[in-house]
Amino acid sequence: QVQLVESGGGVVQPGRSLRLSCAASGFTFRTYGMHWVRQAPGKGLEWVAVVSYDGHAKYYADFVKGRFTISRDNSKNTLYLQMNSLRPDDTAVFYCAKDTDGSYFDSWGQGTLVTVSS
Amino acid sequence: QSALTQPASVSGSPGQSVTISCTGTSSDVESYNLVSWYQHHPGKAPKLMIYEVTERPSGVSHRFSGSKSGSTASLTISGLQAEDEADYYCCSYAGPTNSPSWVFGGGTNLAVL
Repeated sequence: QVQLVESGGGVVQPGRSLRLSCAASGFTFRTYGMHWVRQAPGKGLEWVAVVSYDGHAKYYADFVKGRFTISRDNSKNTLYLQMNSLRPDDTAVFYCAKDTDGSYFDSWGQGTLVTVSS
Repeated sequence: QSALTQPASVSGSPGQSVTISCTGTSSDVESYNLVSWYQHHPGKAPKLMIYEVTERPSGVSHRFSGSKSGSTASLTISGLQAEDEADYYCCSYAGPTNSPSWVFGGGTNLAVL
């Protein structure tokens, strides 16, 4: 079955960088778009970014444009999120999610917690 | 893109039905039949319950159903069970094609009393 396992979260100071990873298995990773979605403490889910199946198309929520970069390595079945210039309001659990035809997220990981604090 | 509007909480007794609303705008819910619903138990992976407004993934109980009218989508859960107690989020594709985005609701906590 589909399995998505996020890693790379932790505590980081404001202004610093962090790279999240999402290891995928149980499906043909290279044929599906992939997303990052986050949830700040006590808040709802918030879409962050999407990358196409081949890595060529990337789109971002306005609040992360220029700071975050989504990418993928289809040879490693792994999705990434490079986060730069982190701010305290980026503190959240970050989930990776599998796309289906661009309309919904049919599988999710359990998330990795990022805490931005001095 | 502003978040879709959901009630913060709803509740019902076992066996009853509840409906959770999700109000968007002409830029998202009203324009696309691409509303999905997710069940989220804290600490676990969110689970897809409804996609494309009314479609139910295999393995999801028939007690869950979705609908849409104008800019408001709804999730109805019939025959409430204790295991249904969770947070529920709606989501809509918000386009446009050359710069796709998705918007979630703020979430609704369902309590089964």
